[in-house]
Amino acid sequence: GDSVTQMEGPVTLSEEAFLTINCTYTATGYPSLFWYVQYPGEGLQLLLKATKADDKGSNKGFEATYRKETTSFHLEKGSVQVSDSAVYFCALTTGNQFYFGTGTSLTVIP
Amino acid sequence: DTAVSQTPKYLVTQMGNDKSIKCEQNLGHDTMYWYKQDSKKFLKIMFSYNNKELIINETVPNRFSPKSPDKAHLNLHINSLELGDSAVYFCASSQDLASWRTDTQYFGPGTRLTVL
Repeated sequence: GDSVTQMEGPVTLSEEAFLTINCTYTATGYPSLFWYVQYPGEGLQLLLKATKADDKGSNKGFEATYRKETTSFHLEKGSVQVSDSAVYFCALTTGNQFYFGTGTSLTVIP
Repeated sequence: DTAVSQTPKYLVTQMGNDKSIKCEQNLGHDTMYWYKQDSKKFLKIMFSYNNKELIINETVPNRFSPKSPDKAHLNLHINSLELGDSAVYFCASSQDLASWRTDTQYFGPGTRLTVL
């Protein structure tokens, strides 16, 4: 069945460090891929998305490229800030349902 | 303006009780969802529902039932609460299932349920 696998956390980085959170997927057909972010005490909100192969989603300095050949959608940011501390979820949809990864907790320290 | 709202924000109750969590969206969306997030932050879909179809995750116990009085509301009713039901429950909505390729889900703030 369809699924998403993302790197386990927690991840702790110093401010201005480079961030990569890995995400790979398994899907029948051609899914759309998403990254959602959950700040402490809040619900999830969409960070970025890509709907077809080679598309790059970007928002707030975060980027992820839809790689069909490696079935990946890794999240990157060149310079993280303390305010980026949150839990990040990779997700996909191929139709009726959304599938979320297990979430990766990121803590950025000053 | 709150897009997706849930009440209550916190719910503490005894084992064996029956409780409901309410969800409302003012986005005009056709599809709504309920998710359960456990203590390890794992997010699991419980139901997806539009005005035509209810899709149930087969692992969800039948003590859980969604109730939709209209398109803007999808409430979650839980019978005979158990300790393992303690979690954060998120409601979400999206435009419709037909536009799944570009659809974004909008989440409510969550309801933290504690069963004693």
